[in-house]
Amino acid sequence: GAGVSQSPSNKVTEKGKDVELRCDPISGHTALYWYRQSLGQGLEFLIYFQGNSAPDKSGLPSDRFSAERTGGSVSTLTIQRTQQEDSAVYLCASSPQGGDNTEAFFGQGTRLTVV
Amino acid sequence: LAKTTQPISMDSYEGQEVNITCSHNNIATNDYITWYQQFPSQGPRFIIQGYKTKVTNEVASLFIPADRKSSTLSLPRVSLSDTAVYYCLVGGYNAGNNRKLIWGLGTSLAVNP
Repeated sequence: GAGVSQSPSNKVTEKGKDVELRCDPISGHTALYWYRQSLGQGLEFLIYFQGNSAPDKSGLPSDRFSAERTGGSVSTLTIQRTQQEDSAVYLCASSPQGGDNTEAFFGQGTRLTVV
Repeated sequence: LAKTTQPISMDSYEGQEVNITCSHNNIATNDYITWYQQFPSQGPRFIIQGYKTKVTNEVASLFIPADRKSSTLSLPRVSLSDTAVYYCLVGGYNAGNNRKLIWGLGTSLAVNP
């Protein structure tokens, strides 16, 4: 596709359930980021993939959060045993190379609501 | 990691030039300065990036003084569609050590008719 695609666009889940969020980056982009944005707040870094290197997981808030990137392309963010404080918009971005001084292209995000 | 400070909100009118200044006193030698725009219910969108002096593209200009401790995003002749949140970020490529940008609250710009 032309841009970063995320699915689903909206997800409502019950507290305690697991959820999976998907990101399709722009073809050929080696770097992929996941962020979380709570209402009225800036973006909070979660995890970063760059090529075949080990991911930078330093932003994951707890061990309930995990992410993988298969074949250097599609990425899935998994949240286990969801809590109400997990409610936020989860944004994925990709960029052509790994340096932070390159433009990142963002998807529309997945709005997660935990009830 | 460098942190930035920018006004929480600004108001303007259609057709005016808007300047949003960002402070980044602890900017590192290899840090670039990047501005993003975010509309409600959308992901951020890249506007402009620079290292020093002045950068101009089709939508904005970025002014960076010699000490690089601040930067100013200039939007010429804004329209209602420029109403958005604008984020100032600093970061740079550090070989072998992936760095993550720190996103603040941004500046919420309201353009009035």
